[in-house]
Amino acid sequence: SQTIHQWPATLVQPVGSPLSLECTVEGTSNPNLYWYRQAAGRGLQLLFYSVGIGQISSEVPQNLSASRPQDRQFILSSKKLLLSDSGFYLCAWSVLFDRRGAEAFFGQGTRLTVV
Amino acid sequence: RKEVEQDPGPFNVPEGATVAFNCTYSNSASQSFFWYRQDCRKEPKLLMSVYSSGNEDGRFTAQLNRASQYISLLIRDSKLSDSATYLCVVRVGGFKTIFGAGTRLFVKA
Repeated sequence: SQTIHQWPATLVQPVGSPLSLECTVEGTSNPNLYWYRQAAGRGLQLLFYSVGIGQISSEVPQNLSASRPQDRQFILSSKKLLLSDSGFYLCAWSVLFDRRGAEAFFGQGTRLTVV
Repeated sequence: RKEVEQDPGPFNVPEGATVAFNCTYSNSASQSFFWYRQDCRKEPKLLMSVYSSGNEDGRFTAQLNRASQYISLLIRDSKLSDSATYLCVVRVGGFKTIFGAGTRLFVKA
């Protein structure tokens, strides 16, 4: 069966520090991978999605970047965190089964607080 | 205009009540539609896909109106355990998945 791992679960970082969040998927090949951010009391904002190794699409201009060095590994990074980067970060994967698409499965999320 | 819009609620209903949520989307090329459920401080999980002909899963019924570009979710006989945030989700093309901000539901005894 497929599983998705995301770590760390919680993180407190000072302003200006770097960030690296990692997500890995097991049990599937060539998944579509996503990074979302959810600010307190708000919906999920799509940050990046990737349809293959080295292929990253950015949805919003921001202080973050993403990389996909391996088929089932997706990394979210920042060189210098801002206070506004605080939020709940979720990695997700999906596989396109048919024209209807397929559900996205989420990792357990990383709660980032920038202080 | 947001790509996916939902009434944020909260909806406060007694146990046993029927409650309906609506969601509108702006991209007429949207291909796939889903309802997700998110419990407090947890990751979202798929509740049900939404098909053009409408579909039902137990107490939950989902409807899609492509002409008006809206999706609905009906919950019958609400349970305390239904309390959560319900997210409307639209997929454009094969990959880009957009979530609504969610509708909060509180079911009270």
